[in-house]
Amino acid sequence: GESVGLHLPTLSVQEGDNSIINCAYSNSASDYFIWYKQESGKGPQFIIDIRSNMDKRQGQRVTVLLNKTVKHLSLQIAATQPGDSAVYFCAENESAGGTSYGKLTFGQGTILTVHP
Amino acid sequence: DSGVTQTPKHLITATGQRVTLRCSPRSGDLSVYWYQQSLDQGLQFLIQYYNGEERAKGNILERFSAQQFPDLHSELNLSSLELGDSALYFCASSFGGGTEAFFGQGTRLTVV
Repeated sequence: GESVGLHLPTLSVQEGDNSIINCAYSNSASDYFIWYKQESGKGPQFIIDIRSNMDKRQGQRVTVLLNKTVKHLSLQIAATQPGDSAVYFCAENESAGGTSYGKLTFGQGTILTVHP
Repeated sequence: DSGVTQTPKHLITATGQRVTLRCSPRSGDLSVYWYQQSLDQGLQFLIQYYNGEERAKGNILERFSAQQFPDLHSELNLSSLELGDSALYFCASSFGGGTEAFFGQGTRLTVV
């Protein structure tokens, strides 16, 4: 049969704008979250992570916000640049019995396009 | 460059065949993970090894198997290949589990 590709959410912004990419996660037991950036033809690249005992974490031009009440994660990119154009994935991890296993469950991804 | 090396970069093979994908983790990383990325399923976790032992398993088909060797490199074996196995296969590594995982560039498998 015909396979149906994932229809990824898209976000288009102008260079210099701030971007916000959202992600809803499913497992309330997840305690570690990561944002990855994937450019065409490359593997996912780590951007920023956050543990469940935090609500906010900032990096260089990026901020991750975690709302455990509604199981929502967001990635904010300040002063977005054309080089930020990529697919962005959130991923969640659940530590099992205190021993962290590295199985990451990825979201479907969001395509970010930055126009010069 | 993430420091994770995957070979080969591209692989074209026929249905029914068997292939082996190889991954060298970053220096010092004990955990190796394998993921499959396809157009219709996204990034799916297959299996994790930690210091030579299987640690976690995802929706890995019985036709697929993996191992991690004493030098910590890992191989993913895919057998009785089907057209639907065509995908990007990524390896990632981290020092432990539940910590920052670094991905390789992937192996693009095409089954014809």
